[in-house]
Parts: sequence; structure tokens; C-alpha cells
Amino acid sequence: DVKVTQSSRYLVKRTGEKVFLECVQDMDHENMFWYRQDPGLGLRLIYFSYDVKMKEKGDIPEGYSVSREKKERFSLILESASTNQTSMYLCASSLALATYNEQFFGPGTRLTVL
Amino acid sequence: AQKVTQAQTEISVVEKEDVTLDCVYETRDTTYYLFWYKQPPSGELVFLIRRNSFDEQNEISGRYSWNFQKSTSSFNFTITASQVVDSAVYFCALSEAGQAGTALIFGKGTTLSVSS
Repeated sequence: DVKVTQSSRYLVKRTGEKVFLECVQDMDHENMFWYRQDPGLGLRLIYFSYDVKMKEKGDIPEGYSVSREKKERFSLILESASTNQTSMYLCASSLALATYNEQFFGPGTRLTVL
Repeated sequence: AQKVTQAQTEISVVEKEDVTLDCVYETRDTTYYLFWYKQPPSGELVFLIRRNSFDEQNEISGRYSWNFQKSTSSFNFTITASQVVDSAVYFCALSEAGQAGTALIFGKGTTLSVSS
């Protein structure tokens, strides 16, 4: 069964802390994505990666960075967490080349920044 | 510009009622793909269906059916005889072809509440 896992379901951090959100997929997918979900705004793309060490900015990359050192792992980094980054973070993966391939999502990490 | 609009923010129905969730999209591409996802209270998005722009045939899967009309740029989702377990947030999404790694563009979602 296909699986995308995220390191934490719930996370509480303080303003200014460096935060790492980890995502691992076991489907050998080339593409991986980080979205942010906020009430009334739907899902917004932060960053995506279509290969190891490759990354592309999405719609709202400010305040975030990413790392993809291995194919199965895609990390989202908040260099200095702020309260406006309190949100639900969703990781997804999909096969390469054909953009019609559906994305598979992890369970999400609900991050609270105090 | 690409855009997905789900005009219904929240819908409440009683069990066994039929309900239709609307989705209108905008794209300049002639080749594109449309999706519906379900997000139950547990939080994980579950893929329901994919449709490409060349296939306007409607699809039925159990109590679920989808109506794709290019003329009105709509991809509506109907649940027949709704059940409490259908309560979730439903997202419509768009993907344009031709670019590796292209992300999905999501609508803002429709929250469906089914009461017994």
C-alpha cells in the first residue's frame, strides 16, 4: 500500500525557533510537494521537488526552505518560526513526467507557533 | 491564469439526501487534468477521481458520480443517498500538462456535513 508519512501529527514551537518538518514516501516517486492548508484559503503550494537536490518555489515560499538529499525524503524548514506560520502542513508525492498522476498525501502536521 | 473555484463553502444535508458539489475551473491550456480529493476529519487527503480534458464522459462509482462539462468549465461531484461517513472537506484541483513536477491548483474546498 502506498504510503506518505510525516514525522509529527502535532508540533508546538516558539517564535524564532528553527523547525524541521520531515516527509518520507515509500513509492519511489520522483515528485514531492509541501503544501500549507489554512481555513478559507484551501491548499497553497510552498515548494516542490522533481528530483534529488532539485527544488522549485511554489506560491508562498517566503519564510521556508526545503531539502531533498534522498529520493524518498523531503524536508520543510522554517528558519525562524513566526506566529503567522501556524498552520496545517501537508506533504505529497507523485510519479514524474506525467502531470496527470494523482498526488498521494501524508496525514499532515499541525504546527502551532507561540 | 489557472484557477479553481468552489463557490460552496459549507453544505449541510440529512442522511439519504443527494448533494452536488460544484467546481469551476479556469485554464488556457487545451490539455489539463481535474481531480477531486476528500479530506475526512483525520486530515489525510484521499484521491477520488482524475479526469483529463479530452474525456468528457461522466463517471459513476457507487454512490459517487462526476459531471465534466468543458463548455461551462465545470467538474461537479454528486453524492447520492449521502451518509454520515461522507462528512468531510472536498477539494477540486487542476493540473496542466507538459511540465514535470507541476503541482496541483486547489480550490478552497467545500465542507460537507451529513447528519443522521
